[in-house]
Amino acid sequence: QSALTQPASVSGSPGQSITISCTGTSSDVGGYNYVSWYQQHPGKAPKLMIYDVSNRPSGVSDRFSGSKSGNTASLTISGLQAEDDADYYCSSYTGSTYVFGTGTKVTVL
Amino acid sequence: EVQLLESGGGLVQPGGSLRLSCVASGFTFSSYAMSWVRQAPGKGLEWVSGISASGGTTYYADSVNGRFTMSRDNSKDTLYLQMNSLRADDTAVYYCAKRMGGARGFDYWGQGTLVTVSS
Repeated sequence: QSALTQPASVSGSPGQSITISCTGTSSDVGGYNYVSWYQQHPGKAPKLMIYDVSNRPSGVSDRFSGSKSGNTASLTISGLQAEDDADYYCSSYTGSTYVFGTGTKVTVL
Repeated sequence: EVQLLESGGGLVQPGGSLRLSCVASGFTFSSYAMSWVRQAPGKGLEWVSGISASGGTTYYADSVNGRFTMSRDNSKDTLYLQMNSLRADDTAVYYCAKRMGGARGFDYWGQGTLVTVSS
């Protein structure tokens, strides 16, 4: 149950697009289309942003999109806005349990 | 409106025990699998345990297997986490989270309850 690997930090200017990667193995990310992404602001509970690799829950901006290729999933935030400044975590089903990513701090410059 | 309200956190000595509760409202609790997820201070999220909708099946992370027991009372819309043999590295905010239908992700989270293991 090793954590999925994410870059520690990603930054971009308002209006730009950024992509966060999430690398696992064939036992998690590569083996199931059950990758989800969460946004967390300081002192707050995580918020679901993407589920099933690329689906957005109701109410989540279409500036957020997800994809997967092999053992690596990605979250893209387009048209970066100040409120996107937060921590982001990926997660994958592993067949019976779940594993989270190491987390990425997104900074809006 | 879906709400998850955790309680039971606090300060406990190493080797001690604590039971967390999570009261759910706003959805049919007995129809959904649930999980506990924790976050150590300044660290990332860690999945701790999961339970099926009926309560008949439970799963645990290796780090807590044999020490933590997850259960639920669907008549009370309440989730529990019994934590025994607590260690300093169990110190974290513990969140309960509602799982979407299937294995798709966690769509609602509680506000969390802080567990501190220290002498």
